[in-house]
Amino acid sequence: GAVVSQHPSRVICKSGTSVKIECRSLDFQATTMFWYRQFPKQSLMLMATSNEGSKATYEQGVEKDKFLINHASLTLSTLTVTSAHPEDSSFYICSARPGYEKLFFGSGTQLSVL
Amino acid sequence: TQLLEQSPQFLSIQEGENLTVYCNSSSVFSSLQWYRQEPGEGPVLLVTVVTGGEVKKLKRLTFQFGDARKDSSLHITAAQTGDTGLYLCAGPFSNAGGTSYGKLTFGQGTILTVHP
Repeated sequence: GAVVSQHPSRVICKSGTSVKIECRSLDFQATTMFWYRQFPKQSLMLMATSNEGSKATYEQGVEKDKFLINHASLTLSTLTVTSAHPEDSSFYICSARPGYEKLFFGSGTQLSVL
Repeated sequence: TQLLEQSPQFLSIQEGENLTVYCNSSSVFSSLQWYRQEPGEGPVLLVTVVTGGEVKKLKRLTFQFGDARKDSSLHITAAQTGDTGLYLCAGPFSNAGGTSYGKLTFGQGTILTVHP
């Protein structure tokens, strides 16, 4: 089946630094990818829709200047958490779907900001 | 935006017991999905229900979609320790701009712990 690869799986950074998370569709092209955020023992919250070749669409309450999304190719979307602070510590998950088939999720990135 | 209310939030049972997780909404969904997620991993799709009243079985798991397509349930028979995890229901995300079948809105999740 389709595979969505996310990297890194875990990152620890200092407050004030920026962190980039990559999401790749390994065996299909994805014009659209989705970024979710998940706090411990809680559900997934949609942050934004990443669109290949155009600007991302952010959900209400998500700061676009804080969470920069770039979808430069049909197989890669990146989420950059800029000037990270401890409250940005969370589990970030991307997803993508080949055509109209089911959605596939990456394995997630655990971000810890010290 | 459509909301999905999932219950219970936490479930702790002994191996061999049966359990049911509920997913309810005041809105109609064209389809609902159930996912299972383990710590440090992304969610894995278990099933998609599309037709009102539909019942799907996956080994010891039985999924039901309400007749009005506003609710769904997941029933596990004779739970095993390997069933431990976070169970999530999800449906297509809708707001004033329409419905996007690629975006999902999730229920709050049910953390299931099955003790040996």
